[in-house]
Amino acid sequence: AQKITQTQPGMFVQEKEAVTLDCTYDTSDPSYGLFWYKQPSSGEMIFLIYQGSYDQQNATEGRYSLNFQKARKSANLVISASQLGDSAMYFCAMTSNSGGYQKVTFGTGTKLQVIP
Amino acid sequence: NAGVTQTPKFQVLKTGQSMTLQCAQDMNHEYMSWYRQDPGMGLRLIHYSVGAGITDQGEVPNGYNVSRSTTEDFPLRLLSAAPSQTSVYFCASSSPRRGGSNYGYTFGSGTRLTVV
Repeated sequence: AQKITQTQPGMFVQEKEAVTLDCTYDTSDPSYGLFWYKQPSSGEMIFLIYQGSYDQQNATEGRYSLNFQKARKSANLVISASQLGDSAMYFCAMTSNSGGYQKVTFGTGTKLQVIP
Repeated sequence: NAGVTQTPKFQVLKTGQSMTLQCAQDMNHEYMSWYRQDPGMGLRLIHYSVGAGITDQGEVPNGYNVSRSTTEDFPLRLLSAAPSQTSVYFCASSSPRRGGSNYGYTFGSGTRLTVV
């Protein structure tokens, strides 16, 4: 079975500062994928970034980077230079070979608020 | 615009009524899924499909049926609505990556369902 844990229900960050959102995962499968999604107050789900378990480098997409520590089973999202528009819920998610790649398991989310 | 289209956006049902939530995608994605989102619980998988004619149960399938007669459409049927099915429902689609996993789901805008 695969499981995602997000231990930070809410976080605050000052505008223009960097912030790290924590995510740990649990799977016995050597092949898996990790995702982060953003959900603004408008409700839509926006795909941000993907990390494969065999990827040699940490994934980056613009101001988003994924700090992948395989031995610790963590996949933290780092947002650099926070903007007011980054205020949203953020969900960590995963798929795995044994869990079924077509099935995505989500964490409970972290609500990020960016302070001017 | 290409993407995942969900209808309706809002719906109020009486206990015991049935209805179908519609979902269509025009990206020729193989994978499609239905999730429900409840406060503090993240997104939970209801049913999913890996292609036309193939569906399977997710984490919380009771009270819901699906079918996938075409690649584009993946409707979700509530058989006899109950107050416990009050939730926000998301349809999502994706394509498989080479070697497994997927490219990250594209989500519809959601359906906010209230059962009274």
